[in-house]
Amino acid sequence: GAGVSQSPRYKVAKRGQDVALRCDPISGHVSLFWYQQALGQGPEFLTYFQNEAQLDKSGLPSDRFFAERPEGSVSTLKIQRTQQEDSAVYLCASSPPGKNIQYFGAGTRLSVL
Amino acid sequence: RKEVEQDPGPFNVPEGATVAFNCTYSNSASQSFFWYRQDCRKEPKLLMSVYSSGNEDGRFTAQLNRASQYISLLIRDSKLSDSATYLCVVSRLSSNTGKLIFGQGTTLQVKP
Repeated sequence: GAGVSQSPRYKVAKRGQDVALRCDPISGHVSLFWYQQALGQGPEFLTYFQNEAQLDKSGLPSDRFFAERPEGSVSTLKIQRTQQEDSAVYLCASSPPGKNIQYFGAGTRLSVL
Repeated sequence: RKEVEQDPGPFNVPEGATVAFNCTYSNSASQSFFWYRQDCRKEPKLLMSVYSSGNEDGRFTAQLNRASQYISLLIRDSKLSDSATYLCVVSRLSSNTGKLIFGQGTTLQVKP
């Protein structure tokens, strides 16, 4: 079946521009996570949704970062007024009910110039 | 200090070698443990969960020492296709999905 789908795969933004990154989880997965992976580092947690409820946003680095999942399926991570330090791969993962396994999408590679 | 610490390597080994990776975690509330594999410019994929009793999956053996807060991965008879970054991962929830906390990753290069 289809895995976690993310778009765009690559995004180049000018500093100060707003960007929106999309994640389409595996059908039936209620849990959805966003992670940020800087070059040479492991992924770092940003935020977590259970269905449409955002239950944990403790990893969002600033108020420029905003995530939503209004209908409990597709999620969007928005970054306002992008800065160079936002350059990273943004990974989305989803998890089926009752299972402690996360399946990752291929990520969106964001470069802020 | 990061919550999950790994030696980033790289580990360069010949085909057929046995190689071991270690990882330590600092939060004693961690309850679930995993090794993920990440190929260059690809997403992380679950390699195996790690249990206190130790577990094996083919050429891969994982061990957990809760007292020392130490996790290991042993790869026997290395293949060229094992070349990747191996991420040590912990989670604080045992039954429900919780956020994953990743180490920096250890890079393995298997040479012919």
